[in-house]
Amino acid sequence: KAGVTQTPRYLIKTRGQQVTLSCSPISGHRSVSWYQQTPGQGLQFLFEYFSETQRNKGNFPGRFSGRQFSNSRSEMNVSTLELGDSALYLCASSPLDAEEKLFFGSGTQLSVL
Amino acid sequence: AQSVTQLDSQVPVFEEAPVELRCNYSSSVSVYLFWYVQYPNQGLQLLLKYLSGSTLVESINGFEAEFNKSQTSFHLRKPSVHISDTAEYFCAVSGAGSYQLTFGKGTKLSVIP
Repeated sequence: KAGVTQTPRYLIKTRGQQVTLSCSPISGHRSVSWYQQTPGQGLQFLFEYFSETQRNKGNFPGRFSGRQFSNSRSEMNVSTLELGDSALYLCASSPLDAEEKLFFGSGTQLSVL
Repeated sequence: AQSVTQLDSQVPVFEEAPVELRCNYSSSVSVYLFWYVQYPNQGLQLLLKYLSGSTLVESINGFEAEFNKSQTSFHLRKPSVHISDTAEYFCAVSGAGSYQLTFGKGTKLSVIP
C-alpha cells in the first residue's frame, strides 16, 4: 500500500496570502489528522476528520480550516498568512481497527516571507 | 487536558551503549501513551504504544518503554544503540479513546561511532 501522500512538499508564500495543502491517506483509512510542527512550539494538533466530519479541533485561530472529501482525501487551508505560520504541516491517517495508530506523511514545508 | 515533558532535548551516546529517553506526562483522565521517531526530512513513525494491559511494551527494533502510573512516566530504553538509531524521538499522550495526540518537544538522539 502507498503511504500517506502530502502535496506540495515545499511551498513559499508571502504574508496575507492564503494556501491550501493536500493529503491523501492510506487506502482504506477514513480518519485524517493534521499537525503543525515548528522548532519553538513543537508538534501541535490542528484538527481531525472522519467520514467528512470534523471530530476534533485544536487551539488554532479560525484562519486555519480543513475539510475531508468522500474519498477520505483531506485539505487544509490557511488564510491571511502570517510569518508565524511558517512550519512543517504533517498529515496522518489511521485505520478503523486501530485508530490510535497514526501513519504520518512526510509533510509540507511552508515558508511565509 | 494533557501535557508531556521530555526532560532532555539532546542525548549523545556511544554506539552499543544503553540509552534512556525520559518522558513524563500529566493528565486528569486515563491515557494512551506513544513514542514516535522522526528521521531527517521524514514524517513521524510509530515506535511503540501503551493502551492497556502489560506496562512494559516493546518495539520490533529493540526499544522498550514502561508505563509507570504512579510516577506518570513512560521512559524509552534500548540496551544497545546503533548508528541507525540517530533520530528525534517524540513522546505523546492522548486521552483513552481519543486520538488527538499531545506531543512532547522531542529528544534528539545522536549515536556516536
